[in-house]
Amino acid sequence: GEDVEQSLFLSVREGDSSVINCTYTDSSSTYLYWYKQEPGAGLQLLTYIFSNMDMKQDQRLTVLLNKKDKHLSLRIADTQTGDSAIYFCAESIKNTDKLIFGTGTRLQVFP
Amino acid sequence: NAGVTQTPKFQVLKTGQSMTLQCAQDMNHEYMSWYRQDPGMGLRLIHYSVGAGITDQGEVPNGYNVSRSTTEDFPLRLLSAAPSQTSVYFCASSTRTVPNYGYTFGSGTRLTVV
Repeated sequence: GEDVEQSLFLSVREGDSSVINCTYTDSSSTYLYWYKQEPGAGLQLLTYIFSNMDMKQDQRLTVLLNKKDKHLSLRIADTQTGDSAIYFCAESIKNTDKLIFGTGTRLQVFP
Repeated sequence: NAGVTQTPKFQVLKTGQSMTLQCAQDMNHEYMSWYRQDPGMGLRLIHYSVGAGITDQGEVPNGYNVSRSTTEDFPLRLLSAAPSQTSVYFCASSTRTVPNYGYTFGSGTRLTVV
């Protein structure tokens, strides 16, 4: 069945770049998403990428998609303390409305 | 511009009690869903609906019921609460048109069953 995997934790120094990785199993996914969850809050859509794209950049965020390896990454440039949160990768399931979410990566930014 | 509204934000139940978690959206989204979030397990789909009058089971439906009498509302009912249902519950909605820009989430209901 469909599965999305992420590492659980990432710790980076303020000002450095963060790279959060995700692998997925459904090669027919149309869209892949990155969500951010701050403490005590719901998930907020950060960015998405269509499956026929390799890269998408949005200000400090860069999404890379390797369809051959079913690997998605989110790079946050100049990471700030406000970026500390849990980041979820999600894939859409073709011909359904469903999204399959990863377990989330907790990003901790230290000064 | 409320988006997705969940109530209550916090709830403590005794084992065996029943309750309804409310979810309402004002974006005219056809698709609505309920997830539970547990540590280390990400989000797991409980039930979903593609429109008024239509519901279906997700990954972990046991112990929960849903109904969708209107486009706006999608309540989740716990029939007889168990400690295993202690979790954070999220309601999410989306349009069914293409392209799909993902889900809009509510702020969650933190449920403790004692």
